[in-house]
Amino acid sequence: QTVVTQEPSLTVSPGGTVTLTCASSTGAVTSDHHPNWFQQKPGQAPRTLIYSTRSKYSWTPARFSGSLLGGKAALTLSGVQPEDEAEYYCLLYYGTQGEFGGGTKVTVL
Amino acid sequence: QVQLQESGSGLVEPSQTLSLTCTVSGASIKNANYFWTWIRQPAGRGLEWVGRIHSAENPTYNPSLKSRVTISVDTSKNQFSLKLTSVTAADTALYYCASLGSFNIWGQGTMVIVSS
Repeated sequence: QTVVTQEPSLTVSPGGTVTLTCASSTGAVTSDHHPNWFQQKPGQAPRTLIYSTRSKYSWTPARFSGSLLGGKAALTLSGVQPEDEAEYYCLLYYGTQGEFGGGTKVTVL
Repeated sequence: QVQLQESGSGLVEPSQTLSLTCTVSGASIKNANYFWTWIRQPAGRGLEWVGRIHSAENPTYNPSLKSRVTISVDTSKNQFSLKLTSVTAADTALYYCASLGSFNIWGQGTMVIVSS
């Protein structure tokens, strides 16, 4: 079975920039994996931030951006706000089958 | 505004079948823009993609669950459903229905506990 790997935790200062990555055990992540990124705060349902690598929703703050970086999917938070402290998950598709990463806990400190 | 609402058995005995339904309001279950998906999350753990169904493709399932899971659509009720057979304590989780992709919505989730 495929494994999707994310950093377990990252710490960033308010106003700083942090990049989360999402790697696939099958090789380089491409746009064909349609990377999605989700934010989840304690006690809340997940919220989708990014789909198809870099596409945003009307509710996605402008400081969040998706990309492909060094064979991985990436989520960059620029100008981090205290409210960005959360767990972030990526999802990759292998054909029509999805696989979540284990999540990255982002601490704003 | 499209909304999703999960419903179903909150307590299931081991070896029995878990059955959940997601009622779609504000859109047709046959709308090809939506990829109807089930996702689960054990307490304190990460998200797990269970499977999805779309009007133009056969249902797709997580390989680790494939032998036990069925996702289907009831167009008359505008619902899609999840059935998971032979459940164990490892299937205890918060279950979400959602549509992912460009047409994105999440239900609030429903807790399912597997216990005798």
